[in-house]
Amino acid sequence: DAKTTQPTSMDCAEGRAANLPCNHSTISGNEYVYWYRQIHSQGPQYIIHGLKNNETNEMASLIITEDRKSSTLILPHATLRDTAVYYCIVLTGNQFYFGTGTSLTVIP
Amino acid sequence: DSGVTQTPKHLITATGQRVTLRCSPRSGDLSVYWYQQSLDQGLQFLIQYYNGEERAKGNILERFSAQQFPDLHSELNLSSLELGDSALYFCASSRGLAGYEQYFGPGTRLTVT
Repeated sequence: DAKTTQPTSMDCAEGRAANLPCNHSTISGNEYVYWYRQIHSQGPQYIIHGLKNNETNEMASLIITEDRKSSTLILPHATLRDTAVYYCIVLTGNQFYFGTGTSLTVIP
Repeated sequence: DSGVTQTPKHLITATGQRVTLRCSPRSGDLSVYWYQQSLDQGLQFLIQYYNGEERAKGNILERFSAQQFPDLHSELNLSSLELGDSALYFCASSRGLAGYEQYFGPGTRLTVT
């Protein structure tokens, strides 16, 4: 199983960009990187995913290094509502393995 | 709103009992996944069904079972309940078998007393 490593917690000032790193050094060539977030005890929410190229959608940008061993999720203008636990997941087969994630706190 | 519905929202029961949790996937989604989230644990994958058939198993106890019906809704059955089964149980659905984003329901909070 490809494992991911994320910082336990991070703070970000409201209105600034939040950059959440993730290491996945054992990722295989055909494994996608997914990002989800969980606000309090709600169901996790899909944010973005990618394979090799950088991706952007209305919520965030995903930057994957050329060797694919790490990635960064960027929330361009963090708001208080972005306070959540962010999970970086490598899809192995058809199973998601959620780690402990990064607890992001957006500070006013 | 993800489009995935789960019932009930809350469930309180005693040890040794049996409960059934229900999940309706998003319209058009064929895969249903079940996850357990205990207080101190991350999300643990339990089981996946695709178009009525079991396709993947994770850390699911033998006391737990699931099925997906022809209308694609799914039920998770938990029996001989123990205090440690108290957790949030999430259902998720996706369009296909693999490689698709999963959309999660609001969860069922199970409390075993």
